[in-house]
Amino acid sequence: AQRVTQPEKLLSVFKGAPVELKCNYSYSGSPELFWYVQYSRQRLQLLLRHISRESIKGFTADLNKGETSFHLKKPFAQEEDSAMYYCALKGSSYKLIFGSGTRLLVRP
Amino acid sequence: KAGVTQTPRYLIKTRGQQVTLSCSPISGHRSVSWYQQTPGQGLQFLFEYFSETQRNKGNFPGRFSGRQFSNSRSEMNVSTLELGDSALYLCASSLTSGSSNEQFFGPGTRLTVL
Repeated sequence: AQRVTQPEKLLSVFKGAPVELKCNYSYSGSPELFWYVQYSRQRLQLLLRHISRESIKGFTADLNKGETSFHLKKPFAQEEDSAMYYCALKGSSYKLIFGSGTRLLVRP
Repeated sequence: KAGVTQTPRYLIKTRGQQVTLSCSPISGHRSVSWYQQTPGQGLQFLFEYFSETQRNKGNFPGRFSGRQFSNSRSEMNVSTLELGDSALYLCASSLTSGSSNEQFFGPGTRLTVL
């Protein structure tokens, strides 16, 4: 079964601190993994995808197939990073399966 | 380029009624997916339409149905509404179906069932 687990509902850090949002997945094949973000009163939008291997707004995420993880990291959190973050998986059926989301709160 | 639009933005219905939600994708996008978002279940995939054909379906009862028109606009219908259908319904469009196409989300329709 395809499943995405985000163990933390809320992650609170101070500005300038490192951030790691955890995501673990369950999928037997080669998944495509994504991070979506929803800022307050804005639409859900794509932050990054693992195949692009890019850094967006200072965030990076590495696919670890051995640990079936796709954690989102940023070395120095900014207040504007406060948002809801969703990890998502797309398997062979091309359905997008979302995790339950983690709310990141960056305090000044 | 205009984003994905959804109408209506808010809707209040009573149990047993039916409802139709509309989604207009970004111009040129041919795939439309629908999701239900609730505090308890999070974001759940409902179905995807591409070129007027349903390509994928999530684990929802048959009361949930949809369709896509030749201009790629899509509608979602829920019949015999239940209290548990209260949710934010999101629509997302992408250029084509499958693979790594980025999905662009609409603002959602907030459905409240009384």
